[in-house]
Parts: sequence; structure tokens; C-alpha cells
Amino acid sequence: GQQLNQSPQSMFIQEGEDVSMNCTSSSIFNTWLWYKQEPGEGPVLLIALYKAGELTSNGRLTAQFGITRKDSFLNISASIPSDVGIYFCAGRGERMYSGGGADGLTFGKGTHLIIQP
Amino acid sequence: DAGVTQSPTHLIKTRGQQVTLRCSPKSGHDTVSWYQQALGQGPQFIFQYYEEEERQRGNFPDRFSGHQFPNYSSELNVNALLLGDSALYLCASGTVNTGELFFGEGSRLTVL
Repeated sequence: GQQLNQSPQSMFIQEGEDVSMNCTSSSIFNTWLWYKQEPGEGPVLLIALYKAGELTSNGRLTAQFGITRKDSFLNISASIPSDVGIYFCAGRGERMYSGGGADGLTFGKGTHLIIQP
Repeated sequence: DAGVTQSPTHLIKTRGQQVTLRCSPKSGHDTVSWYQQALGQGPQFIFQYYEEEERQRGNFPDRFSGHQFPNYSSELNVNALLLGDSALYLCASGTVNTGELFFGEGSRLTVL
């Protein structure tokens, strides 16, 4: 089955630094999504990518859909304390079903971001 | 506009029991998916419902079943609970024509 490798597993950074994390897949995806999850809460959608090569920003966050369709990265510029949390990449495969719907998302194991003031 | 809502937020069961979790999708959404998130892991896809039918299923046994109602809300049922079923169960909603999924806050199930 499809597997996602997300790295790094954790990051300890100083407030104000830029952050970069990435995901690679053994299979092609046609959608990449990036989520943030805080303790006791569900994942919150940050950025959605639908096309190879696509670069999308959401405030201080920028994500790209890799040209090979097997990878994606997320950058956070000028980190602030509220950026703390676990960031997940998620990909969806190519299959679409005539009855509606698509493959479920495959998630990475997450990048735990810790910011030191 | 309410987002995805789930109930209950926490529950404790014993091995062998059955549990039902409930989800109301975000307004305007017609698909509901369920995910299981073990501690320290990313969510794992259980199944997706659209037009009141199970459309796709992840690698979960038949003990996991579900239902979608005409108002798009959904239930997840787990029978013959095992200790390993302890996890956060997440519901996500979306539309059949877009790739974005929005998650609820989850139901934390503890099996003793």
C-alpha cells in the first residue's frame, strides 16, 4: 500500500526562525494536504494542493506539490509561539470511483514543532 | 456556520462491548469519512460514505461498520472491542467534487 515518509520527526527551533518539513511517497498522489493538530483537537486544514508543481501560500505558510507527484514540502516563515503543534502531510491517490468519492487520505506520521522563545 | 461535530468526546468501554460514534458534517458537505488515530501516529483511513453508501474502505476488519443518514450525518460502529481499538476516532467531511477534508475534534475511545 501507499506509504508516506514525513521528516523531520521533530524540530526544536527559536522563535522567528523559518521551518521546513517534507513528505515523500512511494506512490503518485493527485492531491496533497497539510494539516496542523494541537493536543486534544482534530487536524485543521492549512493548505490544499491539486496540481504538480503548484506552489500555494496561506499567510506565513507556503507549500508545494512536487513535480514527480510523489512529494510535497511545507515552509513556515518567521515562526511564532502559536505555531507549536504537530504538522501532518496527507495525500490522496489517483483513483476516482464512478459512484462518487475518491481514495481515503494517507497521512504521514507528523512533524512535532517545538518553539523556544 | 458549524464545522464538523462529533459525539461523544470521550468514552470508556470494556473488551467485547460495542460502541457507536456520531458525526454531523460541515454545512454543504455530502461525504463523511472516518479515521482512527492511535497515540503518536497519523490518522488511518477507515471508510468513506457518500449518498448513504460505503464507497471506499481502508484496511480495517468488518467489526468496523458505519452508516450515513439522509441528512448526511454518520455513525461509526465498532463491535467486539479490543484493547487495540483505543484511539481517537476522527470524522471528516467534504464534497464529492473537491479534495479538501475538514475534521472534527474527535471521539476519544478507551477500551479497558
